[in-house]
Amino acid sequence: LQLQESGPGLVKPSETLSLTCAVSGGSISSRNYYWGWVRQPPGKGLEWIGNIYYSGNTYYNPSLQSRVTISVDTSKNQFSLRLSSVTAADTAVYYCARLASIATTQAQFDYWGQGTLVSVSS
Amino acid sequence: QLVLTQSPSASASLGASVKLTCTLSSAHSTYAIAWHQQQPEKGPRYLIKINSDGSVSKGDGIPDRFSGSSSGAERYLTIFSLQSEDEADYYCQTWDKGIHVFGIGTKVTVL
Repeated sequence: LQLQESGPGLVKPSETLSLTCAVSGGSISSRNYYWGWVRQPPGKGLEWIGNIYYSGNTYYNPSLQSRVTISVDTSKNQFSLRLSSVTAADTAVYYCARLASIATTQAQFDYWGQGTLVSVSS
Repeated sequence: QLVLTQSPSASASLGASVKLTCTLSSAHSTYAIAWHQQQPEKGPRYLIKINSDGSVSKGDGIPDRFSGSSSGAERYLTIFSLQSEDEADYYCQTWDKGIHVFGIGTKVTVL
């Protein structure tokens, strides 16, 4: 399984950050997995952003919920992240990842993309 | 509130072993956790999932020298026969009803 993030590396303050994660070597429509986004500001730890199931059910970090939208495109085997009204505090490496699930209950992240750095600056 | 507590750093000599601890908040002491390794300038890699009963499941290709165990609210990652490439940050992760939490990470230094 491979996950590859793509999108602009530079976003202006107050604009919307948009990233896509292309999944290869596996189907995003599998009932056995969820798909998610995690970010890491420079020099800091990991922060969970949100997850999505192939059906479109979403789960968001409460601290980001008002600004985050995650969507899935099963025809293209990819899922996407949109984060609105960005500020410098949103500068981070953004990772997409797969989550294992047990009977449709989410569990651990088990495959990660390599990450993409998004800087917020004018 | 679901919280994971990790020590910020640990160290051990080349060839020795090191045991990392991840502590669950008291109300969540029976939860499973996962450990992820992040080598310098790389993305995270899933290592192992540890259940409260001590049962584990490893990620693909994870060497046997990575081992997991459990006691009460604590979940442990032990790395045996430390190698230079084990110098990395190690994060624990847990989840509850679709919400996911990471610990602050433990930086392991190989002496």
